[in-house]
Amino acid sequence: DGGITQSPKYLFRKEGQNVTLSCEQNLNHDAMYWYRQDPGQGLRLIYYSQIVNDFQKGDIAEGYSVSREKKESFPLTVTSAQKNPTAFYLCASSIARRSGGRSNQPQHFGDGTRLSIL
Amino acid sequence: AQKITQTQPGMFVQEKEAVTLDCTYDTSDQSYGLFWYKQPSSGEMIFLIYQGSYDEQNATEGRYSLNFQKARKSANLVISASQLGDSAMYFCAMREGGSNDYKLSFGAGTTVTVRA
Repeated sequence: DGGITQSPKYLFRKEGQNVTLSCEQNLNHDAMYWYRQDPGQGLRLIYYSQIVNDFQKGDIAEGYSVSREKKESFPLTVTSAQKNPTAFYLCASSIARRSGGRSNQPQHFGDGTRLSIL
Repeated sequence: AQKITQTQPGMFVQEKEAVTLDCTYDTSDQSYGLFWYKQPSSGEMIFLIYQGSYDEQNATEGRYSLNFQKARKSANLVISASQLGDSAMYFCAMREGGSNDYKLSFGAGTTVTVRA
């Protein structure tokens, strides 16, 4: 079945360490997104990408980095510059507008990664 | 300014009854779309229903319906005949039409607890 796979499910970061969250999709979607969710709150956009080798900052990009070398993959690195990284991270994908996607098509989400500080 | 406002942090509903979750939005675009997602305690986000700004009829999907009042900028979700499995957090989100990408802005969510 097509879907989005995020790994690992749980991740622990030491002080000063960079960690990378994996996101892979086999839905053939051009657009991919990373969101952060803090307890009891909504989702905030970190980065998004509409096409391979291109990505844009979202609302809270500081302390994070991404790459988009393959259509299927959009890894997120939480750098040591992110001082409060403890959160639930969700990856999503959708058909891009440039690919003929219509505005009523939803984003599809992975199961998320919970990141904590050691 | 908040683009999506969900004013009910938590709600309790009796099994088999209906519940309405409020959502108001703020945009100057004429073309936009509104989405509702369900997030169970396991964390995944499940798409429920969509309403386009130009849709003349309120959207319905099974037990989910959307009470769309464009002039009031509200898009309330109605869950009919609540089931225990409906206990989850519910998010309203908006996609604005002016952008070429399909970013979503999310509200803070409403936690629904269904009682037997």
